[in-house]
Amino acid sequence: NAGVTQTPKFQVLKTGQSMTLQCAQDMNHEYMSWYRQDPGMGLRLIHYSVGAGITDQGEVPNGYNVSRSTTEDFPLRLLSAAPSQTSVYFCASSDYRSEQYFGPGTRLTVT
Amino acid sequence: AQSVTQLGSHVSVSEGALVLLRCNYSSSVPPYLFWYVQYPNQGLQLLLKYTTGATLVKGINGFEAEFKKSETSFHLTKPSAHMSDAAEYFCAVSDQVTGGGNKLTFGTGTQLKVEL
Repeated sequence: NAGVTQTPKFQVLKTGQSMTLQCAQDMNHEYMSWYRQDPGMGLRLIHYSVGAGITDQGEVPNGYNVSRSTTEDFPLRLLSAAPSQTSVYFCASSDYRSEQYFGPGTRLTVT
Repeated sequence: AQSVTQLGSHVSVSEGALVLLRCNYSSSVPPYLFWYVQYPNQGLQLLLKYTTGATLVKGINGFEAEFKKSETSFHLTKPSAHMSDAAEYFCAVSDQVTGGGNKLTFGTGTQLKVEL
C-alpha cells in the first residue's frame, strides 16, 4: 500500500493564482482531513470529510474549498492564493476511531 | 471545544537521559489522545495513542505515556534518549462523541534536541 500520497511536494504561486493540492489514499478509509502547519502553531484543521459526498469545515476554512467525489481522493483547492496561505499542507486519512495517517506534505509559498 | 497545551516549545536533553514532554488537554467529553512525531521535512508518524482501557500506553521507539484524568495530562516519556529521537513532537486530542470523525486538535509542538 502507498498509504496517503500528496502532490505536488513543492509549489510556488503568485498572489491571486488558484491551484489544487491533490491527496489520495489506498486504505479505504472513510475519514480524510486537510491540515496546515505553521511555525509555532502546530497543525490546524482546514476541512474534513466523513465519506464520499460529505465535507465540513474545520478551524481555518476561509480561502479553501474541498470536495469528495470518491473514497480515495480529497483535493484541496485554493481559489485565490494569498501570502497568508504560505504553509505546509498535510492530508490525513483514518477509519472511525482509529489514528490518522498523514501524507508527506506539500510546501506552498505564495509571493 | 477542545484544546491542547504543550509546555516547552524546545526541550534539550543529554543522550541517555530521561525524556519528558508535557501535554495537558481540555475536553468536555472523554478524549482520545495521541502523540505524533515529525522528523525534518517529513509527515507525522504516530508514536502512541490512548482510547480506552489501560491508562499507561506504550508506543514505538521506547516511548510511553500515561493518561491522568484527574490532571488532564498525557505526558510522553522515554527512559533513555537517543540521538535519533531528535524531532518535533505533537500531542493531539480527538472528540469521538460528536460523530465528526477523527478531527484532531493539536498542540503547538515541542522540539526535542538530544546532545552528546
